[in-house]
Amino acid sequence: DQQVKQNSPSLSVQEGRISILNCDYTNSMFDYFLWYKKYPAEGPTFLISISSIKDKNEDGRFTVFLNKSAKHLSLHIVPSQPGDSAVYFCAASGAYNTDKLIFGTGTRLQVFP
Amino acid sequence: GAGVSQTPSNKVTEKGKYVELRCDPISGHTALYWYRQSLGQGPEFLIYFQGTGAADDSGLPNDRFFAVRPEGSVSTLKIQRTERGDSAVYLCASSSGGGDGYTFGSGTRLTVV
Repeated sequence: DQQVKQNSPSLSVQEGRISILNCDYTNSMFDYFLWYKKYPAEGPTFLISISSIKDKNEDGRFTVFLNKSAKHLSLHIVPSQPGDSAVYFCAASGAYNTDKLIFGTGTRLQVFP
Repeated sequence: GAGVSQTPSNKVTEKGKYVELRCDPISGHTALYWYRQSLGQGPEFLIYFQGTGAADDSGLPNDRFFAVRPEGSVSTLKIQRTERGDSAVYLCASSSGGGDGYTFGSGTRLTVV
């Protein structure tokens, strides 16, 4: 049973436009959510996180939105840049960064000029 | 070191053989995690160490898998009697417990032939 779902395996966006990556989860006990970015042959790198007590967290071009009632979160990247092309993983945890993470299957983002 | 180091980066072994995968975490990070990523999937939790002890080993798929961290720093993931289904990228991550997520290594790509 996939507790964290990323239903879009790929997304293609023009440079300068907004990229929106979506993630759904089923376990209401999750209270901490993270986004990771992964380039080929590298490990995932932490991008941004959000605690369940918030509904938005922003860091530069990246904003994560959390809708607890819908068990849905999204990552917005604006403006998108070619260097953002990578696989993005959503992850969830039951505790503040000290517990195991449950990852989604990833969304491959391609930003074209 | 500056990041999480995993060796070897690639390992090809014959079915039935024993392998060891090594992880050097970031100095001072007390938490260490092993994940496994199969093709087209997100990272899947295997085991989590807090210091020298395994705080959560619920992700180890069976008793052929074992991990140690004897001095609370370097960790070794050991796989006995390897099977073709063990082929995956094995990722190690470490954390200081802060709110910035894990730091992952680049992984060891294990191929069982």
